[in-house]
Amino acid sequence: NAGVMQNPRHLVRRRGQEARLRCSPMKGHSHVYWYRQLPEEGLKFMVYLQKENIIDESGMPKERFSAEFPKEGPSILRIQQVVRGDSAAYFCASSSGRANSPLHFGNGTRLTVT
Amino acid sequence: DQQVKQNSPSLSVQEGRISILNCDYTNSMFDYFLWYKKYPAEGPTFLISISSIKDKNEDGRFTVFLNKSAKHLSLHIVPSQPGDSAVYFCAARSDQTGANNLFFGTGTRLTVIP
Repeated sequence: NAGVMQNPRHLVRRRGQEARLRCSPMKGHSHVYWYRQLPEEGLKFMVYLQKENIIDESGMPKERFSAEFPKEGPSILRIQQVVRGDSAAYFCASSSGRANSPLHFGNGTRLTVT
Repeated sequence: DQQVKQNSPSLSVQEGRISILNCDYTNSMFDYFLWYKKYPAEGPTFLISISSIKDKNEDGRFTVFLNKSAKHLSLHIVPSQPGDSAVYFCAARSDQTGANNLFFGTGTRLTVIP
């Protein structure tokens, strides 16, 4: 499967714990995006990364959230000290970065904070 | 600030008839527009796109129309099939500014009745 791979598919955390969401982009893609979908809402942009660089994090909450895309390995979205309001579906997407190229999405990680 | 709007949360269409999904945007810098289809518990799947230099793009049963002066685009599906039942998201971005992130609408749930 050469598509965007996200794991885990489901993640349950208690309030105050840390959540780590992983994303491996499509083969040949070096641009990674994280989106969040709250219930009954559309997808909201969080952060855009290229290898070892954060390009745009304008959609990231200022506290508790961080993202990285190391030279080797998957991209990681990290949420520290989770709260109930963090419960959502988190989608990763990748692209080639070329103009007029679509983003391809993974199947998401559903985070539930209890 | 919702820059991409889908004002119809749901649409029901008889099998074999045409489905028309609408989308409006406010940012005149957007120059690339996409439609995604999403099934429950899956990530959005890219369907069709259009560049702002065109006003129509067709791919099989799917056609996207762009009216730049009205800042409006639509997706036509004809003939509609039960398998088309899903949530459809309109998305837009500005390739000119180099901002690769997509802005999404809140989605329209299409139900095709057999």
